[in-house]
Amino acid sequence: GESVGLHLPTLSVQEGDNSIINCAYSNSASDYFIWYKQESGKGPQFIIDIRSNMDKRQGQRVTVLLNKTVKHLSLQIAATQPGDSAVYFCAENREGGTSYGKLTFGQGTILTVHP
Amino acid sequence: ETGVTQSPTHLIKTRGQQVTLRCSSQSGHNTVSWYQQALGQGPQFIFQYYREEENGRGNFPPRFSGLQFPNYSSELNVNALELDDSALYLCASSSGLAGGSYNEQFFGPGTRLTVL
Repeated sequence: GESVGLHLPTLSVQEGDNSIINCAYSNSASDYFIWYKQESGKGPQFIIDIRSNMDKRQGQRVTVLLNKTVKHLSLQIAATQPGDSAVYFCAENREGGTSYGKLTFGQGTILTVHP
Repeated sequence: ETGVTQSPTHLIKTRGQQVTLRCSSQSGHNTVSWYQQALGQGPQFIFQYYREEENGRGNFPPRFSGLQFPNYSSELNVNALELDDSALYLCASSSGLAGGSYNEQFFGPGTRLTVL
């Protein structure tokens, strides 16, 4: 299983800066990865995903990078806005078979964007 | 909003009691997964239901049980509540198992359970 800490990492940026949030995943068999954003009082919200046969995927203002060699995932947010302030989680999944849809979440990072 | 609803929003129970949490999945979704999110941590997978059958379970004891109904709504039941069961309980629905193809899970807002 994964290890989680009681104190979430934090990232504080100024509005308009680029943000990079990092995540280390644990299962080398995982072949699908998702980034979620969770605002206070809400459930996790899908941001972007990537499959293990890719090393980069871009969305609107967001880019996910995957390094399978070191089992590392990152989320880049361009021109960060105050509305981006939230907790960000990476999640991993092994597609197919009985593991389908059973996500393993990382620790989470608190992003605070200052106007 | 995701179209996934959960009830109640908040709940306070005492140790040893039993609790039932409810989830209505998004229209057309036949798979519901339940997660426990302790304060300051990421969600942890409890179990998943697909077409009314349990389809996998995380590292949770048998006192955590569930049901899925013909309309694909779901319940999470927890017996003999312990203080450590205090958490946000999330359900997520998706459009079902498709061999090798991931279908996005949509999370509800959660039920905040406090055990005293």
